[in-house]
Amino acid sequence: DIQMTQSPSTLSASVGDTVTITCRASQSISKWLAWFQQKPGTAPKLLIYETSTLESGVPSRFGGSGSGTEFTLTISSLQPDDFATYYCQQYNSYWTFGQGTKVEIK
Amino acid sequence: EVQLVESGGGLIQPGGSLRLSCAASGFTVSRNFMSWVRLAPGKGLEWVSALYSVGTTHYADSVKGRFTISRDNSKNTLYLQMNRLRAEDTAVYYCVTDLAGSDLLRGWGQGTLVTVSS
Repeated sequence: DIQMTQSPSTLSASVGDTVTITCRASQSISKWLAWFQQKPGTAPKLLIYETSTLESGVPSRFGGSGSGTEFTLTISSLQPDDFATYYCQQYNSYWTFGQGTKVEIK
Repeated sequence: EVQLVESGGGLIQPGGSLRLSCAASGFTVSRNFMSWVRLAPGKGLEWVSALYSVGTTHYADSVKGRFTISRDNSKNTLYLQMNRLRAEDTAVYYCVTDLAGSDLLRGWGQGTLVTVSS
């Protein structure tokens, strides 16, 4: 089974900051990585798939990069609506999520 | 409008059974990839089960042999039969699909809460 490890678990930031979340796969997953945003009491929302492709309607301040086993999600100029928990997820072999990164207000 | 509406959650004793339903509208369940994902209290997201349009099914190791995914084409509904429930199965269960023809977890329902407790 492929394990996904995210870091950090919690990230404190201010509006306007640029933040980066890292995701590491236990084996190569090529480009088959997605990122989700989840707010309390709501369903997760797909932000990025195939490592760097923005889902329709997602603001361009969200960006993804990486390949193989190392991936990053970058949020430029953090907005109030961006404070949430973010998950990476591999879909190279079945589906596995990282443990999540909570982005909170500093 | 594409919509997924889960139901069937509730409080159940350990060892019991429950069947979750996911009623779909705006698309045909049998022609698309469907999946169940759960979020346990204080934990992260966990993929549970998947059903491809051709009928292939997959399960997470944590539920294999206890849960069964299926669909009723006449009702355009996805199901998750959950047997031998454990406390660690307590979670919000989401029904998920991808109408773009891949197996991304793209479109999500609002979720239904399952609580396994005596």
